[in-house]
Amino acid sequence: DQQVKQNSPSLSVQEGRISILNCDYTNSMFDYFLWYKKYPAEGPTFLISISSIKDKNEDGRFTVFLNKSAKHLSLHIVPSQPGDSAVYFCAASATGNQFYFGTGTSLTVIP
Amino acid sequence: DADVTQTPRNRITKTGKRIMLECSQTKGHDRMYWYRQDPGLGLRLIYYSFDVKDINKGEISDGYSVSRQAQAKFSLSLESAIPNQTALYFCATRAASTDTQYFGPGTRLTVL
Repeated sequence: DQQVKQNSPSLSVQEGRISILNCDYTNSMFDYFLWYKKYPAEGPTFLISISSIKDKNEDGRFTVFLNKSAKHLSLHIVPSQPGDSAVYFCAASATGNQFYFGTGTSLTVIP
Repeated sequence: DADVTQTPRNRITKTGKRIMLECSQTKGHDRMYWYRQDPGLGLRLIYYSFDVKDINKGEISDGYSVSRQAQAKFSLSLESAIPNQTALYFCATRAASTDTQYFGPGTRLTVL
């Protein structure tokens, strides 16, 4: 059973606008969440993370929001750039040992 | 040079063959992971290791085995490959002090 879900397989956004990628989880024991970005023919690369003691973390154009009561997190990219076009995976961990990944959202930023 | 390398990058094999995928890292991390990626299923954990004497099963370990030959090397074996093991396989490493994993470029395996 998928413990981390990304219900939107794809998203298209105009350059300069905001991209919002969503992720839901079912395990209330998850206490650390990460976003990875993946280009074709490459491995995923770490983008941003958030601990369950926070509800927001920012790094430049990227902000991750965590809503623990809804078991939901989102990644905001603003402004979106064509180079942001990639597949984005969210991941979650309860113990720091195993990480559970979502199915990914393919973002296309249209110039 | 890449910090996490995987060999081979592509492999086509036949049902019943034994296959080994290798992963090496120069990051000095003690924790290493093997994942597979399938369309619509994301990345799923096969095995992970916290040091050469510590091997743990992940979500989908059936049909796979691993060997941690050294801190820097972690191999994944398919003893008798079957077509539903056709997938993209990723190795990852992590330092004990962080939750960030560093992934290799992946191995695309096709089992005919």
